[in-house]
Amino acid sequence: QQQVKQSPQSLIVQKGGIPIINCAYENTAFDYFPWYQQFPGKGPALLIAIRPDVSEKKEGRFTISFNKSAKQFSLHIMDSQPGDSATYFCAASRTTDKLIFGTGTRLQVFP
Amino acid sequence: DTAVSQTPKYLVTQMGNDKSIKCEQNLGHDTMYWYKQDSKKFLKIMFSYNNKELIINETVPNRFSPKSPDKAHLNLHINSLELGDSAVYFCASSPNQGPVGGYTFGSGTRLTVV
Repeated sequence: QQQVKQSPQSLIVQKGGIPIINCAYENTAFDYFPWYQQFPGKGPALLIAIRPDVSEKKEGRFTISFNKSAKQFSLHIMDSQPGDSATYFCAASRTTDKLIFGTGTRLQVFP
Repeated sequence: DTAVSQTPKYLVTQMGNDKSIKCEQNLGHDTMYWYKQDSKKFLKIMFSYNNKELIINETVPNRFSPKSPDKAHLNLHINSLELGDSAVYFCASSPNQGPVGGYTFGSGTRLTVV
C-alpha cells in the first residue's frame, strides 16, 4: 500500500530555476516529514525535515512547505545548481515508527 | 572514516546460491535497518534492529535472514537467491528507534542474480 505519493517522477530545469517536488500522504498519524537526496552510487542522505506544527522550513536554498489540512508537502530548491542534480525522496512517519518513502523524483539541472 | 559501511559493494551470483551482505556503523547509533531499492528506485524497509533486537520485520520472504551480533553490526543473509532479488540493498542507522534526526545510509550493495 503506497502511503506517500510523490510527483513528478522526473524534472528538468535550467540553472537558477526553482524546481518544486510534491508529496501527499494518507495517514493522519504521521508527524515527521523528511526529504532525502540521493546521488548515483550513493545512499540517500537527509536534506531537510519538518514537523506538522509549522507550515514552512528553510535550510539554505532548500524549503519545505507543509499543508496539514491537504495532507501535502513540497520541496522547493531556490537558485538550483547543476550540483543539485540527484534523486529526491520525500518520506513520512510517526516519530517512533519506520519511514515510508515516496517513489522519488529525478532532478536534472542544466547549466 | 566511513560512518555506515557495507560489503561487498557489488555481488553477482547465480540463482539458487546463498549470499551474505555485511554492515557496520561507527556512529554509536542504537538502531539499524535494511532497505531494498528496486530498479525503479523505490525504497522499501525490510528489517530494523534496535540494540540487537528485531523491531521491524516487513513482509519479506523467509529466505532473508538478518543477524545483529552487536549494535554496531547488522548482516543480511539470503538463501536460495532468485532473479527478483536483484536490487540495491542499503543498510542504515539512526540514533534512536525512529527516523527523527535522520537515517545515515551506507553506499549500498548492488546484488545481481543471474
